[in-house]
Amino acid sequence: GAVVSQHPSWVICKSGTSVKIECRSLDFQATTMFWYRQFPKQSLMLMATSNEGSKATYEQGVEKDKFLINHASLTLSTLTVTSAHPEDSSFYICSARDGTAPLHFGNGTRLTVT
Amino acid sequence: AQSVSQHNHHVILSEAASLELGCNYSYGGTVNLFWYVQYPGQHLQLLLKYFSGDPLVKGIKGFEAEFIKSKFSFNLRKPSVQWSDTAEYFCAVNGGTQAGTALIFGKGTTLSVSS
Repeated sequence: GAVVSQHPSWVICKSGTSVKIECRSLDFQATTMFWYRQFPKQSLMLMATSNEGSKATYEQGVEKDKFLINHASLTLSTLTVTSAHPEDSSFYICSARDGTAPLHFGNGTRLTVT
Repeated sequence: AQSVSQHNHHVILSEAASLELGCNYSYGGTVNLFWYVQYPGQHLQLLLKYFSGDPLVKGIKGFEAEFIKSKFSFNLRKPSVQWSDTAEYFCAVNGGTQAGTALIFGKGTTLSVSS
């Protein structure tokens, strides 16, 4: 079945540094990928829609200059958290749809900013 | 705008008890509906989905859900829960099957099953 791979699964960084998270669709091409954030004990909140070859579409309240999204190919989207702060600590999850099938989710990346 | 409401924040049951988790959505058009489960420390897994056809949908692990269009509901049920069903359950909706349509999630329901 369709698989979405995320890397890294866990990262700790110092405040002020940047962190890049990769999301790959392993056996299908994804023109669109979605980035979600999940705070502890809360639901998944859509951050942005990543479109291959064009700019991402950000949800209201999500800073596009802080969360840089690049969708350079049909199988790879990256999320870069720039100048990370402790409040950015969260679980970041990407997902992609294989055609009209339900979304496939990556395993997520737990970001801890110290 | 689409929205999803899950009524129960935390449900505590004993093994073999029956389960029903409420989910209501807000969207005027045709919707696709999903239930996902997230076991402790793991990623989301699809339990079941509704696109069209029979409103009673059967999923994995003995779960089922019924789409009631008139009530904008998609409640999740299981006749007899097990300890291993302890997890977070999310209802989700999207208004269309286009590849560029994201899912909108409810806040989730924590299910705790005691043995």
